Amino acid sequence: AQTVTQSQPEMSVQEAETVTLSCTYDTSESDYYLFWYKQPPSRQMILVIRQEAYKQQNATENRFSVNFQKAAKSFSLKISDSQLGDAAMYFCAYRSARDGNKLVFGAGTILRVKS
Amino acid sequence: DAMVIQNPRYQVTQFGKPVTLSCSQTLNHNVMYWYQQKSSQAPKLLFHYYDKDFNNEADTPDNFQSRRPNTSFCFLDIRSPGLGDAAMYLCATSRGGAGVGELFFGEGSRLTVL
Repeated sequence: AQTVTQSQPEMSVQEAETVTLSCTYDTSESDYYLFWYKQPPSRQMILVIRQEAYKQQNATENRFSVNFQKAAKSFSLKISDSQLGDAAMYFCAYRSARDGNKLVFGAGTILRVKS
Repeated sequence: DAMVIQNPRYQVTQFGKPVTLSCSQTLNHNVMYWYQQKSSQAPKLLFHYYDKDFNNEADTPDNFQSRRPNTSFCFLDIRSPGLGDAAMYLCATSRGGAGVGELFFGEGSRLTVL
């Protein structure tokens, strides 16, 4: 079974600075998808960024980018120019391309942004 | 613009008193999920529907049931809530089939059991 590990329960970043959230996963599959979801306090979970495993190029969405290392099974999220609105719980998640109806979540990382 | 709508947002029930949470979607997605999320933890999948095909997780207690009368609606029934069932319940949808298949989440229903 696939597992997703987020080793940082909590992170802090100064406003306008850059922070990187770590995620590793374990799978024997070669085709899969990876996601970072953001869950602000008392608000709905939304997709931040996604990566298809077959793509070598790292995904980027505005201030958010990933460092996808397939061989190392690592999928970190970099947030540049951090804003107060980035404060949230961030979940890394894995979805198999073969058995694609389930999302496996990591335990989450709480990101605090200091002004 | 709400695409996955959960009702109620907050539900208080008494120990053992049945409760139903609802979820509706305007995305016409094939797959609907129910997750349980306890404080500061990852969401835990309870079950999901692919169209009318119900898929239960092996460790989901029998106390939790679900219904999907049509594409747009899905219900979570908790037959006899215990104190341990107090949690946020998240509904999500996805298109299903091949492809990236990101999940779209509702705002959640927070259940309190007295």
